[in-house]
Amino acid sequence: GEQVEQRPPHLSVREGDSAVIICTYTDPNSYYFFWYKQEPGAGLQLLMKVFSSTEINEGQGFTVLLNKKDKQLSLNLTAAHPGDSAVYFCAVSAQTGGLSGKLTFGEGTQVTVIS
Amino acid sequence: DMKVTQMPRYLIKRMGENVLLECGQDMSHETMYWYRQDPGLGLQLIYISYDVDSNSEGDIPKGYRVSRKKREHFSLILDSAKTNQTSVYFCASSFRDREHEQYFGPGTRLTVL
Repeated sequence: GEQVEQRPPHLSVREGDSAVIICTYTDPNSYYFFWYKQEPGAGLQLLMKVFSSTEINEGQGFTVLLNKKDKQLSLNLTAAHPGDSAVYFCAVSAQTGGLSGKLTFGEGTQVTVIS
Repeated sequence: DMKVTQMPRYLIKRMGENVLLECGQDMSHETMYWYRQDPGLGLQLIYISYDVDSNSEGDIPKGYRVSRKKREHFSLILDSAKTNQTSVYFCASSFRDREHEQYFGPGTRLTVL
């Protein structure tokens, strides 16, 4: 089945700097790609989604890139601010499969923004 | 207000005791999920429910069972809890035709002593 490896597990970044989190997946049928943000004591909040038909998506303060050739999904935090401190998870889902919509999660990255 | 709720938020039990974790959603989602989150492992799917009394095992169902008697409620039951079931448990929900877009509850931190 699908496996998702997320790196790095911990990331410290100075306020105003940029940072990158990368997930590598294995299933070539993967179609839906997500980034979730988890703040302390809270559940996962959907940050951004990318479908296989698109390869880039931009939000406020971050960019998501999908490299289907290398089976990599990245989250680029641009101009980090203290509110970005959280655990970030990538998640991948195939378009078809025995369990429709089953998400496979990466291990998570603890991001700490230093003022 | 679209929301997934979980009760309780924190729970301490002794090994061998029964545990009931409850989840509710107000979005009329057909599909609901239970995950557990352990350090360095991300989230692992325990059970998925496609609607009332329509439940399927996820990746790690052993030691757990679920109950869904109303569309808006989904319960996770641990009969005779074990110490290795200490974890944070998350409930999620989604529409049946958008199961890749899941909304998560705040989690329940369960400690089994």
